[in-house]
Amino acid sequence: EAGVTQSPTHLIKTRGQQATLRCSPISGHTSVYWYQQALGLGLQFLLWYDEGEERNRGNFPPRFSGRQFPNYSSELNVNALELEDSALYLCASSVGQASYQPQHFGDGTRLSIL
Amino acid sequence: AQRVTQPEKLLSVFKGAPVELKCNYSYSGSPELFWYVQYSRQRLQLLLRHISRESIKGFTADLNKGETSFHLKKPFAQEEDSAMYYCALDTGNQFYFGTGTSLTVIP
Repeated sequence: EAGVTQSPTHLIKTRGQQATLRCSPISGHTSVYWYQQALGLGLQFLLWYDEGEERNRGNFPPRFSGRQFPNYSSELNVNALELEDSALYLCASSVGQASYQPQHFGDGTRLSIL
Repeated sequence: AQRVTQPEKLLSVFKGAPVELKCNYSYSGSPELFWYVQYSRQRLQLLLRHISRESIKGFTADLNKGETSFHLKKPFAQEEDSAMYYCALDTGNQFYFGTGTSLTVIP
């Protein structure tokens, strides 16, 4: 089966710009999760979407937002980019709201802010 | 507040030696805990989860609610176990990962 795919692999932006990251989950998975992995830190939970709805978000400012499409793919949008937004952004998917399902991860998008 | 703590950033053991990767969590409800692993040039993947009570690749992890720990153990380390290991806590609507432990198994 095809795994979780993320695009682009790398993204370079400048301060104040906006970035859009994309994620396609494994076929049959309805939940998509976004994480930020900054240098030296663990994965920080950003957003969780299931069945097109935002189920929860982590402790990030509102300029981090996203959506999930009817085909369950997802976008993460980051507005007004700041230098500290430079990080690896990982997307994961799971079979849905069934309790405590393991997450399957993509390779990530490396976002660099100049 | 940090929900998942992995106190060791780096851990080196000799091949054949026992290995224990420590994980402590902070959560008052019923936790669901996972260990994820990332081998060199591969994506992050599930190693094992508490609810399954299984042994994967010789690794086991026992939930100790009294000590709020979920340490990962293997009696005899192999070179192919060298990887980055992350402990993760799922509270049902929030997900917390530790900062990871890089395990190196010395031949």
